[in-house]
Parts: sequence; structure tokens; C-alpha cells
Amino acid sequence: GAVVSQHPSWVICKSGTSVKIECRSLDFQATTMFWYRQFPKQSLMLMATSNEGSKATYEQGVEKDKFLINHASLTLSTLTVTSAHPEDSSFYICSARERTGVAYNEQFFGPGTRLTVL
Amino acid sequence: GENVGLHLPTLSVQEGDNSIINCAYSNSASDYFIWYKQESGKGPQFIIDIRSNMDKRQGQRVTVLLNKTVKHLSLQIAATQPGDSAVYFCAENYNQGGKLIFGQGTELSVKP
Repeated sequence: GAVVSQHPSWVICKSGTSVKIECRSLDFQATTMFWYRQFPKQSLMLMATSNEGSKATYEQGVEKDKFLINHASLTLSTLTVTSAHPEDSSFYICSARERTGVAYNEQFFGPGTRLTVL
Repeated sequence: GENVGLHLPTLSVQEGDNSIINCAYSNSASDYFIWYKQESGKGPQFIIDIRSNMDKRQGQRVTVLLNKTVKHLSLQIAATQPGDSAVYFCAENYNQGGKLIFGQGTELSVKP
């Protein structure tokens, strides 16, 4: 159980185009999903926290108009990179947190999406 | 902030030896800590966690130690195997919203 999928697993796009990445919790309901970005040989950097049915909360320095997050259901969150540029090339990872009454809920991570912008 | 321009520290061990990976966390108010393993091109995989009211927790072949006085976390892997080769990250949680802040990471290389 507790599987999180991401689609696509990799994408190559031209500069100036927009790319949508999906994050799904396959066998549980996730009230909260998180989006991370990871550059080569570096750690995961939290971009935003996405709560079902409400606006995402972005970390300092992350442009909300560039990285659009939608969490329309308890099993799906999407990240859209708008007007992508080569510096947006990175490994994007989502995680999902199960809805329970427990304070310390484990986050389940997706396999990541490799974005390459030409 | 972003880890700009940093490179992962590496730890190289012989197969069968014990490994110790260290992590310094940033926020004294953090109350929950997790170790993750990340293989190349994959998402992080949960290894073990510990709450701030504990100083040690053991799992299968792994032990996590927490020293709140110096804000230090360590992961001990017993009888390290080639399949343990990966990057290991510690993460801290300092609010009940579940937001995790990841540490720098250590690349573990196991020589057969």
C-alpha cells in the first residue's frame, strides 16, 4: 500500500512551453501533497505544500505564477511549469501525506519526473 | 534556502563493515526526524524515523541516534551491503503540517 505515482517520468520540452506533471496517491487519500525540486548532486528543496481544495502554500523564493499547483481531489495534485526555461530543468518529486488524525504522518514519495528544457 | 553549488559528501565503505552517516539539523524546535535512501533517478525511500522524545531507535540493520543538545542525527547501517549504495538524506519536521526540510545528503558507496 501507500503508493504514489508521477506522470510523466521524464519530459523534454522546448523553452517557452508549459509542462504539467501529475502526482497521484494510488491507494490512499492524501489531504496534503508536497512538491520538491532536486538539482543534480543536491538535496530536495521544498517548493510548495498543496492541500486538497485550497490554494497551495509556496516556499520563499518560489514563483507561484511560474509553478502552478492544483490539488483538485484527494488523490491528484498537478504541478505546471509555465513558460519553462533551461534553468527549470530539474528532477521534480512529489510526496503525499495520508489523511488521519495522527500528527506525524509519514510522507510517501513519488518516483520523480525528470524535466529537461531545451 | 537553496543548496546552491554544494556537492554531496561521500562515504566509502567495504562490504560487511558498519556505516555511520551523520546529519546536522537546523531547527531546535523540530520534533520528528526521518532518514531516507535515494537511489539514482528515483524518489526518496523511507528508512527509519525518530521522535524528539527518543534518543535512539532501531530497525532492521539500521539504528538512528538523536542528540538534541547539538542538533545531530546519525544513521548506522550494520553489515553494509552493495545494495545499500545510494544517497542518504535526513529530514526534519518542525510543524504538524508535515513540512519536511531535507539535509544536505551523503552518498554512500559500498565496495564489494
